Amino acid sequence: RKEVEQDPGPFNVPEGATVAFNCTYSNSASQSFFWYRQDCRKEPKLLMSVYSSGNEDGRFTAQLNRASQYISLLIRDSKLSDSATYLCVVNSGYGGATNKLIFGTGTLLAVQP
Amino acid sequence: DTGVSQDPRHKITKRGQNVTFRCDPISEHNRLYWYRQTLGQGPEFLTYFQNEAQLEKSRLLSDRFSAERPKGSFSTLEIQRTEQGDSAMYLCASSAGAEGDTQYFGPGTRLTVL
Repeated sequence: RKEVEQDPGPFNVPEGATVAFNCTYSNSASQSFFWYRQDCRKEPKLLMSVYSSGNEDGRFTAQLNRASQYISLLIRDSKLSDSATYLCVVNSGYGGATNKLIFGTGTLLAVQP
Repeated sequence: DTGVSQDPRHKITKRGQNVTFRCDPISEHNRLYWYRQTLGQGPEFLTYFQNEAQLEKSRLLSDRFSAERPKGSFSTLEIQRTEQGDSAMYLCASSAGAEGDTQYFGPGTRLTVL
């Protein structure tokens, strides 16, 4: 079983749609959680961190359920420019021993005009 | 540009050759990471430095791979006797050093082994 699992998609949605991505992780000791965005043939860039209380940044809302080891990302009012791969990321570091990121395979989003 | 830089951006080599990649982290970032990404997959952790000390190496990092960060600033990743399976994007990231802090990625070096 992979440490971080997410639906690879693709998700094809019309402009203005709301789309949700889900992710599960296996290591209950994981400390930090993120969504990264990766455009085709580019490097991953941090979209937002994910907190247990849930957090929102404009059209983007992220949530974490530690009990279920589940992370979600909601994108409202999709724009063409949101088309990218969205990577669910878990930081396995604890106790200062390591700080490596564990990535899911990514979910491809294609927003159609 | 004060972000993470990597050189070269692209490298084509023949099987069996040695290659070396360079990463320059964001200034004053004391943590530096190497990841590898193959088509259709997320990046996979290879190794991690805090200053000049290499603190962790993945099992993915076979004995043909070696990474250094001699002065705690830039880092190099060398692959000896390249194989076709080494073809991938090699990504470098850096962070400021606090637990769970944000890792900023460079543009990557795309390696093609013929």
